[in-house]
Amino acid sequence: KQEVTQIPAALSVPEGENLVLNCSFTDSAIYNLQWFRQDPGKGLTSLLLIQSSQREQTSGRLNASLDKSSGRSTLYIAASQPGDSATYLCAVRNTGGFKTIFGAGTRLFVKA
Amino acid sequence: ETGVTQTPRHLVMGMTNKKSLKCEQHLGHNAMYWYKQSAKKPLELMFVYNFKEQTENNSVPSRFSPECPNSSHLFLHLHTLQPEDSALYLCASSQGGERSYEQYFGPGTRLTVT
Repeated sequence: KQEVTQIPAALSVPEGENLVLNCSFTDSAIYNLQWFRQDPGKGLTSLLLIQSSQREQTSGRLNASLDKSSGRSTLYIAASQPGDSATYLCAVRNTGGFKTIFGAGTRLFVKA
Repeated sequence: ETGVTQTPRHLVMGMTNKKSLKCEQHLGHNAMYWYKQSAKKPLELMFVYNFKEQTENNSVPSRFSPECPNSSHLFLHLHTLQPEDSALYLCASSQGGERSYEQYFGPGTRLTVT
């Protein structure tokens, strides 16, 4: 049974810092891994999607990596800003269907 | 705003009521999803429809009844709910088929069961 864990659960950093969020999963039979951002009480905004055959994806100040063999992904945020404050969720989609398993998220607070 | 809309945004209902949540996507996708997000728990997949056929039912109680009349619309019919069903209900869509596609989410319906 696929399990997704995100560490840390919460993180507070000063503005301008580079930071890394971690996501691990137990079953490497995945189609893809997707990182999302969620603001309080709102829906999810897709940040990056990494296919199982890819090692990383980049969008602006965000870089996500995937190591399927070790069951790990990291989301790197460069030069953090107060507007980056949100909960960051990772989700893996298992092969053989549409089942998508989410982690509990990392709540990020960037102080001005 | 995304191309996925949900109505209503907020809903308060009693345990004996019947109500429906609506989701509509304007992205030309063929797969649609219902998720439940409870306080302090990860998002849980409830149902998936691929080209209007239900492909996933994640052991959801029968008091939740999904309906997908076409690839653009998804409903969640609610009846005799329990207070523990209070949560944020999120709809998502993606391209159809079993390949690996990005999911796009709506803003959610905040449901409170009294």
